[in-house]
Amino acid sequence: NAGVTQTPKFQVLKTGQSMTLQCAQDMNHNSMYWYRQDPGMGLRLIYYSASEGTTDKGEVPNGYNVSRLNKREFSLRLESAAPSQTSVYFCASSETGVSYNEQFFGPGTRLTVL
Amino acid sequence: AQTVTQSQPEMSVQEAETVTLSCTYDTSESDYYLFWYKQPPSRQMILVIRQEAYKQQNATENRFSVNFQKAAKSFSLKISDSQLGDAAMYFCAYDSSGSARQLTFGSGTQLTVLP
Repeated sequence: NAGVTQTPKFQVLKTGQSMTLQCAQDMNHNSMYWYRQDPGMGLRLIYYSASEGTTDKGEVPNGYNVSRLNKREFSLRLESAAPSQTSVYFCASSETGVSYNEQFFGPGTRLTVL
Repeated sequence: AQTVTQSQPEMSVQEAETVTLSCTYDTSESDYYLFWYKQPPSRQMILVIRQEAYKQQNATENRFSVNFQKAAKSFSLKISDSQLGDAAMYFCAYDSSGSARQLTFGSGTQLTVLP
């Protein structure tokens, strides 16, 4: 049971380049999330997917797109990277149908945009 | 929208001593959940403890316990008998029981454990 996996672990991009962050979970969870973590600001929600086939914007969606490829996989795409997107990105998943939203997190991707 | 405030960016504690991390939140809901997550240097987010708002009894997990004051909208984490492995960033998080099911995180408290 790997839980939530993310690739890559580290990435350096130049301004204007594009890339996709991959996330997969093996816990059969319906809901998946993408967060960014910046110093002094905690985790902020970028996008989430409550179930396969649906996606919704979170607090900071500008500059990002997502794809819920299937129940297991949820990718985050930066079409034209900007230095303001330098951050640590976390993917998470959770069950639906339970009373509380305990989220399980991946190990994170440290992204630097030059 | 809910907000979560952690007013202590950094805290330190002597090994074997007790430390309390503070968290306050703002909400108009009556039914919700609160979490404390730990993030060690490995960056992996780990759930420490969970509290249901409808329960008056404070949650405990081994050396970790909370002081939940619903009227004051306060949710502090107490770590007893602190160990070196407790050194980490700690995040308080609010879980709305509504359909959106989003977690709102505080800005975190960096805990240092001194030997």
